[in-house]
Amino acid sequence: EPEVTQTPSHQVTQMGQEVILRCVPISNHLYFYWYRQILGQKVEFLVSFYNNEISEKSEIFDDQFSVERPDGSNFTLKIRSTKLEDSAMYFCASSLGPDPYEQYFGPGTRLTVT
Amino acid sequence: AQTVTQSQPEMSVQEAETVTLSCTYDTSESDYYLFWYKQPPSRQMILVIRQEAYKQQNATENRFSVNFQKAAKSFSLKISDSQLGDAAMYFCAYRTRTGANSKLTFGKGITLSVRP
Repeated sequence: EPEVTQTPSHQVTQMGQEVILRCVPISNHLYFYWYRQILGQKVEFLVSFYNNEISEKSEIFDDQFSVERPDGSNFTLKIRSTKLEDSAMYFCASSLGPDPYEQYFGPGTRLTVT
Repeated sequence: AQTVTQSQPEMSVQEAETVTLSCTYDTSESDYYLFWYKQPPSRQMILVIRQEAYKQQNATENRFSVNFQKAAKSFSLKISDSQLGDAAMYFCAYRTRTGANSKLTFGKGITLSVRP
């Protein structure tokens, strides 16, 4: 069964550094998402992406964040200058479409900012 | 804005018994989806069950069923014949059907432990 994959599984970075989290969505999916989960808290929506554009973004997704689909398979989340509060689990998800299709989640990347 | 509330942080169930996980939500919309996701220790979230708000019949998926009370904005998950592999965090989530907005709004989750 096709799966969403994410790399790396764990990334440690120093405050102020740039990080890129990578995701490979399911191959025929057209909608892509990033969510994050700070330890012990709820999963929060960051951004959705379709047709090479951001469809929607949350208040969390400020100018420090960007997303890109650099080729036909990868979907990346870049944090330009990491802060301690960016430490979280970041989940990528993909779906065939918005409605009625479900979102399939990747295993997540744990980002630790020191 | 929509909100999802899971007020029980933890629950425990004996293997082979039945457990019900509670969820309430708030929305002004009439057409939406509700979901239960399972997040085992491996941390990959898996869709357990989905309910369309316009359907009166409660969704069922093998040992998993929901009690959807639209007027009360309640959406509980019942797990029958609990198994050790059911131990995980369970998230209730909401998604609108209005427009192109397809983001999921999650509750805080509930940690379910299964006693052998």
